[in-house]
Amino acid sequence: NAGVTQTPKFQVLKTGQSMTLQCAQDMNHNSMYWYRQDPGMGLRLIYYSASEGTTDKGEVPNGYNVSRLNKREFSLRLESAAPSQTSVYFCASSTGLAGLLNHNEQFFGPGTRLTVL
Amino acid sequence: LAKTTQPISMDSYEGQEVNITCSHNNIATNDYITWYQQFPSQGPRFIIQGYKTKVTNEVASLFIPADRKSSTLSLPRVSLSDTAVYYCLVGRGGSQGNLIFGKGTKLSVKP
Repeated sequence: NAGVTQTPKFQVLKTGQSMTLQCAQDMNHNSMYWYRQDPGMGLRLIYYSASEGTTDKGEVPNGYNVSRLNKREFSLRLESAAPSQTSVYFCASSTGLAGLLNHNEQFFGPGTRLTVL
Repeated sequence: LAKTTQPISMDSYEGQEVNITCSHNNIATNDYITWYQQFPSQGPRFIIQGYKTKVTNEVASLFIPADRKSSTLSLPRVSLSDTAVYYCLVGRGGSQGNLIFGKGTKLSVKP
């Protein structure tokens, strides 16, 4: 199993350009997440998808859109990139199941380093 | 959402036991306490989760007092490879979107 994969690993954009970050998981997880991490900071949730067909805003959704393409894939789109969106972006997935014996542990991808000039 | 407070950084030496304490005064009845570890240039990795008392796995132990307003992650006999940032999170075990990663505790293990 590859776990959670993200593409691309690195990207440089100019202000105003658009791009889509791709994420896929092969663990048959229901829930998927997009986070950003700025230097020296913790992770901040951008959007999440509790299950296929649903998406919800997290802590910092402005400037982003997401698509839960199917159970495996969850993409993040920057329509008009801004320097403030320079960050490392992490995708994660979890079973999304509640229960005393279920940690709902989140599995993270390797991240995408995005620089907006 | 329950806010957590943990030290910004800690130093230790190889072979020592490290205890990182997290404060979460506003923890709710349904909330679990979860710890993640993050190495440089990698995504976080789940370490341990608990609700009350003590939980132990092959990596760490988690101590939670009766009032649950704090918790302590214990790493036995740390090595250089344990140098990482450790995050304490509070939220429902089955929750999807309400886990908040703070700045974490940067642990530096020295030889």
